Amino acid sequence: AQSVSQHNHHVILSEAASLELGCNYSYGGTVNLFWYVQYPGQHLQLLLKYFSGDPLVKGIKGFEAEFIKSKFSFNLRKPSVQWSDTAEYFCASGYNKLIFGAGTRLAVHP
Amino acid sequence: NAGVMQNPRHLVRRRGQEARLRCSPMKGHSHVYWYRQLPEEGLKFMVYLQKENIIDESGMPKERFSAEFPKEGPSILRIQQVVRGDSAAYFCASSPAHLAGGLGEQFFGPGTRLTVL
Repeated sequence: AQSVSQHNHHVILSEAASLELGCNYSYGGTVNLFWYVQYPGQHLQLLLKYFSGDPLVKGIKGFEAEFIKSKFSFNLRKPSVQWSDTAEYFCASGYNKLIFGAGTRLAVHP
Repeated sequence: NAGVMQNPRHLVRRRGQEARLRCSPMKGHSHVYWYRQLPEEGLKFMVYLQKENIIDESGMPKERFSAEFPKEGPSILRIQQVVRGDSAAYFCASSPAHLAGGLGEQFFGPGTRLTVL
């Protein structure tokens, strides 16, 4: 069965630090990959998505993710985080039916 | 353009009661998805519906749970005879027909937090 795993459940960073959140998916065929963010008290919002083409995907708010097929990975990165990036981040994969990872809670301290 | 609406935002039920969760998709969206999030877990797919049709219900528990998306009105997720283990956040998402099939994003609502006493 398809699965998505996120390596870090909790991450704490200081402002201006670089961020990388790991995501691995199990399906070896054509994949659609997503990163969603949930800010405190808000609904899930799409950060970025990958279907095909350039494996380096740029999203909103300075986030990017790299699709590495050989590693079944789709890690999320941001070179310099801000306090406002404090949120929970979900990696997902799927076609209609999205399979989500367990999420990573990011806390950014000023 | 209003986003995906869910109501109620919080619902408290006693064991054995029924819970009805409503989802109004974004304007122009004809595809609805329901997900459940248990504490400390990611979202788990439950069901995918189009107007008057259940397309994929592979994530729905076999008993007590049902979903519909009528021609008119919101999509309803119904849980009969709730138990404590049903306590969770239930999220609805929608997509327009031409972006369904994984070719676009699903737009999520704020969720309904169900607490079963």
